[in-house]
Amino acid sequence: AAGVIQSPRHLIKEKRETATLKCYPIPRHDTVYWYQQGPGQDPQFLISFYEKMQSDKGSIPDRFSAQQFSDYHSELNMSSLELGDSALYFCASSLKQTPTYEQYFGPGTRLTVT
Amino acid sequence: AQSVAQPEDQVNVAEGNPLTVKCTYSVSGNPYLFWYVQYPNRGLQFLLKYITGDNLVKGSYGFEAEFNKSQTSFHLKKPSALVSDSALYFCAVRDRSSNTGKLIFGQGTTLQVKP
Repeated sequence: AAGVIQSPRHLIKEKRETATLKCYPIPRHDTVYWYQQGPGQDPQFLISFYEKMQSDKGSIPDRFSAQQFSDYHSELNMSSLELGDSALYFCASSLKQTPTYEQYFGPGTRLTVT
Repeated sequence: AQSVAQPEDQVNVAEGNPLTVKCTYSVSGNPYLFWYVQYPNRGLQFLLKYITGDNLVKGSYGFEAEFNKSQTSFHLKKPSALVSDSALYFCAVRDRSSNTGKLIFGQGTTLQVKP
């Protein structure tokens, strides 16, 4: 079965650079969530989209932005990167944002900021 | 506010023995509860969920979880542990303060199954 695809899998950037993370949800899933998992931490919700509209926002820095496109893929744009942005970034997709539907996670993008 | 707690950072169990990974929750209203497993350098894999109905929920890889409303718990269980079950386990609750269904995770519990 098709899974959530994230690219790139690994990314190394320097401070103050920008990064773009991409997420391709499971076919027919119209809801995308982004989570950030710091070293030894639990995943923290960043932002979500439903039918190409932002539906919720968590602890996402103003330096970050995201959008969902007409094909339902999503991109997380990160600017002015800081050392503390180093983390594993997960994208999850769901068939609608109804709370009873489980979220399926991608393998994550490991971002290292040096 | 919705929250979940996993009181144990690590659980050690011998292969073949039953295992329990604990989770307690704090939510307003009826909870939607989930268990996910994370293997090293991998994404989170869905194991099982409780929405409504039977308190004993069966999931993937022989795992099950028991919802206990009076104790506000949702412990993950397996009758006979395998070495391959060694991983990081997260309990999560669906945030019902909004209709977006974002997940709120517990701190995670590392399960170590020894041969």
